[in-house]
Amino acid sequence: KAGVTQTPRYLIKTRGQQVTLSCSPISGHRSVSWYQQTPGQGLQFLFEYFSETQRNKGNFPGRFSGRQFSNSRSEMNVSTLELGDSALYLCASSLGHRSTNEKLFFGSGTQLSVL
Amino acid sequence: AQSVSQHNHHVILSEAASLELGCNYSYGGTVNLFWYVQYPGQHLQLLLKYFSGDPLVKGIKGFEAEFIKSKFSFNLRKPSVQWSDTAEYFCAAPQNRDDKIIFGKGTRLHILP
Repeated sequence: KAGVTQTPRYLIKTRGQQVTLSCSPISGHRSVSWYQQTPGQGLQFLFEYFSETQRNKGNFPGRFSGRQFSNSRSEMNVSTLELGDSALYLCASSLGHRSTNEKLFFGSGTQLSVL
Repeated sequence: AQSVSQHNHHVILSEAASLELGCNYSYGGTVNLFWYVQYPGQHLQLLLKYFSGDPLVKGIKGFEAEFIKSKFSFNLRKPSVQWSDTAEYFCAAPQNRDDKIIFGKGTRLHILP
């Protein structure tokens, strides 16, 4: 069974640009969560989707948005990039809608560098 | 709001030393607790989890953790570490009962051969 797939693996953008990151969950998983990982801050929760609906949202500005498609694939978008958005963006999938008591399966992440 | 705190940001140990990494959470209700590990160059993966029952839970690679409700703690332990345990360890818990999973800031563990 294929794991969680995130594309692209690396991205370099400049300030003011926008970026779209993609995540394909494990087959059969319907819940997708996104996290931002930075040194010293650990993993900061961005949002969680289940069956194309956003279930939870973290404390990030509106420049960060996401969506989930009917095949459970998810995308996140960051508009008007800032230097501080440089981070590893992780996607995690889980089987059902109660992700709080389920194991999360993580992808390798997308390393975003904003210059 | 619920928070997850990890006390040690960097830990350096020699092989065969005993390990204990601290984790405290703030949610007062029934809680699910997790430890995840990120080995160099690998995905984050689940090390162990506590949902209910025996407060001493065992995970992969000889790790265990003890849930102490009165102390709001879920410390990770291993009696004798190996060089291959070098990794970053994250404690995690739901923010509220059915809410998102939040993570501590992580502990970088470096084992000297």
